[in-house]
Amino acid sequence: GDSVTQMEGPVTLSEEAFLTINCTYTATGYPSLFWYVQYPGEGLQLLLKATKADDKGSNKGFEATYRKETTSFHLEKGSVQVSDSAVYFCALRYSGGSNYKLTFGKGTLLTVNP
Amino acid sequence: NAGVTQTPKFRILKIGQSMTLQCTQDMNHNYMYWYRQDPGMGLKLIYYSVGAGITDKGEVPNGYNVSRSTTEDFPLRLELAAPSQTSVYFCASSYPDREGVSPLHFGNGTRLTVT
Repeated sequence: GDSVTQMEGPVTLSEEAFLTINCTYTATGYPSLFWYVQYPGEGLQLLLKATKADDKGSNKGFEATYRKETTSFHLEKGSVQVSDSAVYFCALRYSGGSNYKLTFGKGTLLTVNP
Repeated sequence: NAGVTQTPKFRILKIGQSMTLQCTQDMNHNYMYWYRQDPGMGLKLIYYSVGAGITDKGEVPNGYNVSRSTTEDFPLRLELAAPSQTSVYFCASSYPDREGVSPLHFGNGTRLTVT
C-alpha cells in the first residue's frame, strides 16, 4: 500500500541554520505531495504542495521538489527562525476516486534555538 | 472567519463511557474528515464524508460512529470508551476536488484521555 516515510526527529537547530527534512514515499500511482505544519496546540495547516513530477512547492521560505525518480519530497529552508519550531508532516493524496484520503508520515519535530 | 471548530478541547472519560466530539465548519466544504493523532504515529483517518447524508469508513473506524445531517456539522461518537482511544482527535474539511490538490483545513483538536 501507499506510505510516507520521514526522517526521525527530533531535529534541533540554531537560528539561521539550514534545514532539511527528508521525505520519501511509496505509491502505486502518481499522487500529489504535501507538507503540513503543526504549531504547538494547533491543528495542521498546509505549508506547500506539488502536484506532478519536477514541480517545486514553496511558501514562507520553505521549498520542496517532487522527485519522481527518487520518490522523494524533501523539505528545505535556507535560514530557520525560532518561529519555525513545529511538527512537520509529509503527505500524499491521489486524484480521482480515492482523492479523499491523505496519507501522512509520522511527523518530524523541529526545535529552533535562538 | 472561524474555519473548523472542535469542542471540547479536552476530555477525560472513564472506560465504558460514551461521548460525542463536535465539529463544525463555516466554509461550505463538502468533504469532512476525522483523524486521530497518536504520538510518533502521524495521523490516521477514522471516518470521512463527501456530503450531507454520506459517510464512509477510513483506516481505523472501529469503536467510532459518525453522522452528517448538515454540510456544516460532522460529530464523532464514541460509544464504549477504551484506553486505546486515548488520543488527539482532529476534524478537517476541504472542497470536493477530483484532482486531489485542495488543502485540508484542520480544527485545533480534542485531547481525549480514557482511564
